Amino acid sequence: DGGITQSPKYLFRKEGQNVTLSCEQNLNHDAMYWYRQDPGQGLRLIYYSQIVNDFQKGDIAEGYSVSREKKESFPLTVTSAQKNPTAFYLCATSDRGNYGYTFGSGTRLTVV
Amino acid sequence: QQQVKQSPQSLIVQKGGISIINCAYENTAFDYFPWYQQFPGKGPALLIAIRPDVSEKKEGRFTISFNKSAKQFSLHIMDSQPGDSATYFCAAKGAGNMLTFGGGTRLMVKP
Repeated sequence: DGGITQSPKYLFRKEGQNVTLSCEQNLNHDAMYWYRQDPGQGLRLIYYSQIVNDFQKGDIAEGYSVSREKKESFPLTVTSAQKNPTAFYLCATSDRGNYGYTFGSGTRLTVV
Repeated sequence: QQQVKQSPQSLIVQKGGISIINCAYENTAFDYFPWYQQFPGKGPALLIAIRPDVSEKKEGRFTISFNKSAKQFSLHIMDSQPGDSATYFCAAKGAGNMLTFGGGTRLMVKP
């Protein structure tokens, strides 16, 4: 959506597994964000990065990890330490000159 | 004070009616207030936004009203349609271009 590609759209994880969600953007935006959304709930910030090779924890970073080696990519790893990972994960980007966020279409992660 | 409080959590409106969603904030440093619309299984999309030097902004059937002194802003959807049924999030931009989101409102427009 709008130059942000999240993959896969659906992901199933077994107990104890680490899984990585992909977020790629071709908008040339500096900042990237990961949000978690539970059913009927709001958006909770997991991690964000405002520049390559730098990222900060959001409100619910425990059990998650990220990297920002390229401007275009901001993958999120859901580790086995995240005890309740079933949720809808959204990636977003923003540019300094544009105050709004652009969101991807999301990845739905389910623990099986 | 980074919270943005949104109400109601859910809203049912008849087709053709007016939907009103309210948000309140505390941080006077917020300088941009967007609204996002999210359909099930999709990412939120920017709907309309306002800056604090303007009291109202209208785009089609969607209007933001902004009350700087009360630190409140609201979204009005005129002539609500079943296709408007979605979750709506207000937000406010603070330092570092970071958005703080409200908790969301699930709108259902009945035919």
